[in-house]
Amino acid sequence: GNSVTQMEGPVTLSEEAFLTINCTYTATGYPSLFWYVQYPGEGLQLLLKATKADDKGSNKGFEATYRKETTSFHLEKGSVQVSDSAVYFCALAQSTSGTYKYIFGTGTRLKVLA
Amino acid sequence: EPEVTQTPSHQVTQMGQEVILRCVPISNHLYFYWYRQILGQKVEFLVSFYNNEISEKSEIFDDQFSVERPDGSNFTLKIRSTKLEDSAMYFCASQGQQILPQLQHYEQYFGPGTRLTVT
Repeated sequence: GNSVTQMEGPVTLSEEAFLTINCTYTATGYPSLFWYVQYPGEGLQLLLKATKADDKGSNKGFEATYRKETTSFHLEKGSVQVSDSAVYFCALAQSTSGTYKYIFGTGTRLKVLA
Repeated sequence: EPEVTQTPSHQVTQMGQEVILRCVPISNHLYFYWYRQILGQKVEFLVSFYNNEISEKSEIFDDQFSVERPDGSNFTLKIRSTKLEDSAMYFCASQGQQILPQLQHYEQYFGPGTRLTVT
């Protein structure tokens, strides 16, 4: 079945460091891909998305490119801030019975130090 | 901006009791979902709902679980007899009309979650 694999956390960085969180997927067809962020004590917020190969999703300085050839959707940010500390989830949308369930990765906790 | 709301934010119940978790999806959305996240683990799909019936359910969604949309606005998840292992954060999500054949607009909007603690 479809699955999402994320790099293990936690990831600890200093402010202004470069961030990469790896995400690879296994899927039939070409699913849409998403990154969600969960701040402490809060729910899931959509960070960015890409719906087809070579699409680049971007938001708040974060970027991810849908790479069909490597089945990857790695999250990057050039300069992280303390406020980026959160758990990041990679997900894909799988079509079944007319609806789209999301399959999430295990999440990667990011801690940014001042 | 429209948002999905969930009540209560935190529910504590005793094992064996029934609980109902409530969600108000975005008003013009047609597809509804429940997910759960056991503390420290990944978010797992429970059930999808469309046109007043379940479209798909996971292995987790056994006979103790049920969903309904009683009044056209609320979307509820009922656990008939809670177990300790039901303790988790439960997220509701809704999704707007899918546009065929491109099927690009199926972003799900998540609520803030209900933390269920079974003692």
